[in-house]
Amino acid sequence: QKEVEQNSGPLSVPEGAIASLNCTYSDRGSQSFFWYRQYSGKSPELIMFIYSNGDKEDGRFTAQLNKASQYVSLLIRDSQPSDSATYLCAARNTGKLIFGQGTTLQVKP
Amino acid sequence: KAGVTQTPRYLIKTRGQQVTLSCSPISGHRSVSWYQQTPGQGLQFLFEYFSETQRNKGNFPGRFSGRQFSNSRSEMNVSTLELGDSALYLCASSLVIGAAYEQYFGPGTRLTVT
Repeated sequence: QKEVEQNSGPLSVPEGAIASLNCTYSDRGSQSFFWYRQYSGKSPELIMFIYSNGDKEDGRFTAQLNKASQYVSLLIRDSQPSDSATYLCAARNTGKLIFGQGTTLQVKP
Repeated sequence: KAGVTQTPRYLIKTRGQQVTLSCSPISGHRSVSWYQQTPGQGLQFLFEYFSETQRNKGNFPGRFSGRQFSNSRSEMNVSTLELGDSALYLCASSLVIGAAYEQYFGPGTRLTVT
């Protein structure tokens, strides 16, 4: 079992819709969680981080954390074609970031 | 504030050679981490340096090594290159303030081993 798991997708949503990206982690010792966006041929870009159970909002992005279920999600409201990218979930434990394989999001005009 | 810089951006080496990659973190960031990204394995953690000391290490062979200098700049070395070492090598610098932790990636070095 991988430490951080994501559905590889692709997840396809129409422009203006809400995109929901999910991630599960196996190590209950993980303390904080991160979402990165990576465009093809580029390096990952930090979108959000979350430490506490519940929701954290930043603009069109909302991260949700449920430590009991070992589940992290990222919601993207009003999805735009420019949001089309691979979204990487990462969990931090003892100083290391462990990444999932990423979910490819396609936003269709 | 300038971001993380990595040099060189592209590199072609032959099997058996060695290579050194360089990373300059964001000003004020003292932690530098290195990752290898391949299509098959995704992003894998190599090691982390903080104040010139290796603080964490991933599951890579001893051919992969690194160091950090007093100005927080870091280098990564891979000896006796193998074809499977072809990858995007990413450096990330981190800022820790209390419980808050933010990590930012550089543009990466694309290494091709022939």
